[in-house]
Order: sequence, then structure tokens, then C-alpha cells
Amino acid sequence: EAQVTQNPRYLITVTGKKLTVTCSQNMNHEYMSWYRQDPGLGLRQIYYSMNVEVTDKGDVPEGYKVSRKEKRNFPLILESPSPNQTSLYFCASSLIPVYEQYFGPGTRLTVT
Amino acid sequence: TQLLEQSPQFLSIQEGENLTVYCNSSSVFSSLQWYRQEPGEGPVLLVTVVTGGEVKKLKRLTFQFGDARKDSSLHITAAQPGDTGLYLCAGETQNAGGTSYGKLTFGQGTILTVHP
Repeated sequence: EAQVTQNPRYLITVTGKKLTVTCSQNMNHEYMSWYRQDPGLGLRQIYYSMNVEVTDKGDVPEGYKVSRKEKRNFPLILESPSPNQTSLYFCASSLIPVYEQYFGPGTRLTVT
Repeated sequence: TQLLEQSPQFLSIQEGENLTVYCNSSSVFSSLQWYRQEPGEGPVLLVTVVTGGEVKKLKRLTFQFGDARKDSSLHITAAQPGDTGLYLCAGETQNAGGTSYGKLTFGQGTILTVHP
């Protein structure tokens, strides 16, 4: 089954404790992207990757890092999480950049 | 930063009514996508419109891209409770050669509730 998986689905952590949210797709897609979703703001793009080893900032990259060492995986790293990073995070992938994106189920992160 | 203004933010209607959701910007987009999201799940793509003036139909849903490619609308005819969800528009830009910049801008979303 074609899918994008994210782990964990739920995470409660404390300020400053480094964390990684994993994202994996099994569709051999070249393009992958991370978004955060906050009430009243829709989805905002954090980082995206057009291909392996190629990553670029989206609209809200501050406080996040990403890497794309292999095509199927695109982890999101929060080196020092802060409460304003409490949000619902989505990973997405597509064969062609931003066209017909498949979204993962989301990761709800709470930073206290 | 490009902005997409989506309206209304909330819509509560009775089964059988018609509705329209609007997505407006001062920027030109190469394509406009519409997604539907249900609680606890990621957005699912409904349609992509790429040509100014384009109209696409998906059963009772009609999507239109403005002539100037700055706005779009989603019209639902005879809404049903199963249409309940969050509807999102998203715009993409490409360079002159038709290659995507890789960035996607979303509107704030419209929460639609259809009552039986």
C-alpha cells in the first residue's frame, strides 16, 4: 500500500530536549516536505526536499533542521524545542514537486 | 511571502444546501490545489487546477481557477453530511521554464459542517 508514515504520532516533551520526528514514504517519490498546522493558520511549510541531499527552507524554518540522506526518509529535527513549536506536523511526498502530494497521518507535538 | 486568503473560515449548513468556498490572493500561482482533511488525518488532494479559467468537476464539487490565476473557488451542490471536513486551498509557483520552486502556500482553511 502506497503510504507516508510518521513516527511518533503523539509526543509530549520538555523545552530544550532534542527530538526527531521520522517520515518515510514507499512510493519512490523525489519530493518531500514538512508542514506544521496551527488553528486559523492553515498549513505552513517548514522545509522541503527536491531530491536526495537537496533541502530548502520553507516559510517557517526557524528552530527546525532536516536531512535527506536517502530518498525514502526525511526526518524533522528539533534541536532545542520551545513551547511555540507545539503544533500538528505533517510530512508529505510527491513524484513531481508539490504535485499530487500524499500526506502522512500527522504528529501531534506538545512542548511544555 | 505569498498569501492565500480563504473564506469563509467556518460554514455550518443543512443537508441539501449549496455552498461556495473562496480562495484569493494578490499573487499569481502556477497551479492551485484543493484538499480535504478529516480529524486525525492528513489532507487528501481533491483536485489541481493549472489553467486560468479552468473548471473541474468532481461529482457534486466544482472547482474554478480565476482567469488571472490569483483566485479559485470550490462550489458544493446539495451538500451531504459526508462532506463535513476542513477544506484547504494551496498555491504553487513555477519558474518561467515550468519547473516548480518546491514551495506550497496554503490558505487558512474552511471548516464545513453539514447537518442532517
